[in-house]
Amino acid sequence: AQSVTQPDIHITVSEGASLELRCNYSYGATPYLFWYVQSPGQGLQLLLKYFSGDTLVQGIKGFEAEFKRSQSSFNLRKPSVHWSDAAEYFCAVGSGYSTLTFGKGTMLLVSP
Amino acid sequence: SQTIHQWPATLVQPVGSPLSLECTVEGTSNPNLYWYRQAAGRGLQLLFYSVGIGQISSEVPQNLSASRPQDRQFILSSKKLLLSDSGFYLCAWRRTSGKYNEQFFGPGTRLTVL
Repeated sequence: AQSVTQPDIHITVSEGASLELRCNYSYGATPYLFWYVQSPGQGLQLLLKYFSGDTLVQGIKGFEAEFKRSQSSFNLRKPSVHWSDAAEYFCAVGSGYSTLTFGKGTMLLVSP
Repeated sequence: SQTIHQWPATLVQPVGSPLSLECTVEGTSNPNLYWYRQAAGRGLQLLFYSVGIGQISSEVPQNLSASRPQDRQFILSSKKLLLSDSGFYLCAWRRTSGKYNEQFFGPGTRLTVL
């Protein structure tokens, strides 16, 4: 069965500093991967996705993620964090069927 | 463009009362539809998904049920709510053309069972 691990429950980053959120997946074949963001009390918004091709994927709001098959990772990065990036971030893996498996999320706090 | 609606936005219900949450999608046809529950610190738990009218797959045994009476309508129900049913309920849809499509989420319903 596929699974997703987001090892950091909370991360605090200073505004303007760089950000990396970790995601490790477990899946026997080639996965397709997503990062979503959720602001408090709202639904999830897709940041980016990967299913083939270039392993460095660009998304919305200045985010990017890199797929590393050897490490089973799909880490999310942003070079300079803004206060509006404070939210919860979810990594998800799909198998080519209908459902996705989500990680438990990482809460990003941005300090001034 | 496609939009997804959920209502109500918030709901407070007593233990033992029935539940009906509704989700509708506009601007697409024959979508896959999903119900998730989100509890604090536990991420998203997939409850049900549907690949067509009347076709429901349940991911976890529980006090809830789902129905899809129309192509773009997905309903989450319970006959008797439990305290443990409290949480944030999210509906999502996905295009069925293509293998690697993302899911699009609705705004959610906050359910509090007292």
